[in-house]
Parts: sequence; structure tokens; C-alpha cells
Amino acid sequence: AQSVTQLGSHVSVSEGALVLLRCNYSSSVPPYLFWYVQYPNQGLQLLLKYTTGATLVKGINGFEAEFKKSETSFHLTKPSAHMSDAAEYFCAVSGPLPQGGSEKLVFGKGMKLTVNP
Amino acid sequence: DTGVSQNPRHKITKRGQNVTFRCDPISEHNRLYWYRQTLGQGPEFLTYFQNEAQLEKSRLLSDRFSAERPKGSFSTLEIQRTEQGDSAMYLCASSIGPMVGTFGSGTRLTVV
Repeated sequence: AQSVTQLGSHVSVSEGALVLLRCNYSSSVPPYLFWYVQYPNQGLQLLLKYTTGATLVKGINGFEAEFKKSETSFHLTKPSAHMSDAAEYFCAVSGPLPQGGSEKLVFGKGMKLTVNP
Repeated sequence: DTGVSQNPRHKITKRGQNVTFRCDPISEHNRLYWYRQTLGQGPEFLTYFQNEAQLEKSRLLSDRFSAERPKGSFSTLEIQRTEQGDSAMYLCASSIGPMVGTFGSGTRLTVV
């Protein structure tokens, strides 16, 4: 079974500081990995995804993540935090396809990001 | 393209009542997914459809839960004999192929 671990539930950074949100996964097969953002009372918005190929993935709003198989990690980073980045962030795993993996997403518990002025 | 639409946005119901939620996916998206999100947790997969066929169901989906997508377009999720533990945000997502792409804003269910 696949699983995702997001250690801690809350991260606080200053505006302009580096954002680093950690995600470790467990999967018996090469995974597909995702980061989603959720603003209050809204659905989830896809930030970026890794399926195959280049291990450094760039997403929207200046975020990027690097797939490290040896560390089973897919940490999310942004060089300079903006007030508008304050939200909850979820790491998720699924797949792989077409090796018969499931299409469902398995999410971590999420990380609430606070950006201080 | 108006995105994934979910109705109602909020639903308050008494324990034991039945409720039904609707999801309208992005047109031409052949895949439709349902997830449940409780407070402080990540979303949990419930079920998904490819066109009108329900291809996978989670063990979370007890016999009180049923989902349909009769014409391969909109979908409904019904919960019978609601319990307080059913209180959650119910999220729908759609995609044009494998891999979940676009989520709706969800239906928040409160069982009192």
C-alpha cells in the first residue's frame, strides 16, 4: 500500500524567506507524486506533479519539488514566501500507470503554512 | 469551462436522514472522483468513475454510501441514515484521463 508522511502540521515563515515543506512517501512501485494547495473553504489546486523523467519539477506560483528516490522524498520549496502563499499544502501519491497502479490519490495529513509580514 | 461544480456547498442534516450531493465535472472529462476530507486530515479516496462505469471503491464506502454517474456526465453521492461520523467535506474531482486534475470546492456536510 502507498502512504505519505508530512511531519508536523504547521510551518511558519517570514515573508521573503525560503519555504520548505517536507514529504516522504512509501510505495512498493515507482510512484507518481503530487503537491496540492488548499485555501480556506475551497477545493484543492494542483501545484505540481512528478510522473517520470526530470526529477526537479516546477509548478505554479514559483513552487518546485524534487523527487529523490534514494530518500523516498518529494519536498516542496519556494525561494521567497509571499503573503498569498498562506494556505494548507498536501502531498499525495498514486500510480504508477500503466503498471496497474491505482488512479486514486493517497494524501498526507497536510501542512498549514503561515506567512508573517 | 466553468470548473468542477458541487452542490450544495453546505448541508446540515439530522442524524438518520438521507442526503444527496451532486458533482458536475468539467465537460468532456471522462473521469470523476469522490474524496472525503475530515477536519485536520487530508482527503481520503471514496470512489471513481470512468464515464458511467464505477471502477474502484474504497472500503470507506460503506453500504450506506452509494455513488452514480448515470450518463457519464454529472455524478451523485448519496449517504443513507447519516451518522455524526459522516460530517466532513466531500470533494469531487474530474480529469480527462488518468491522474486527478481539477477539484471542486466541495460540499460540507454537518450531521447534528
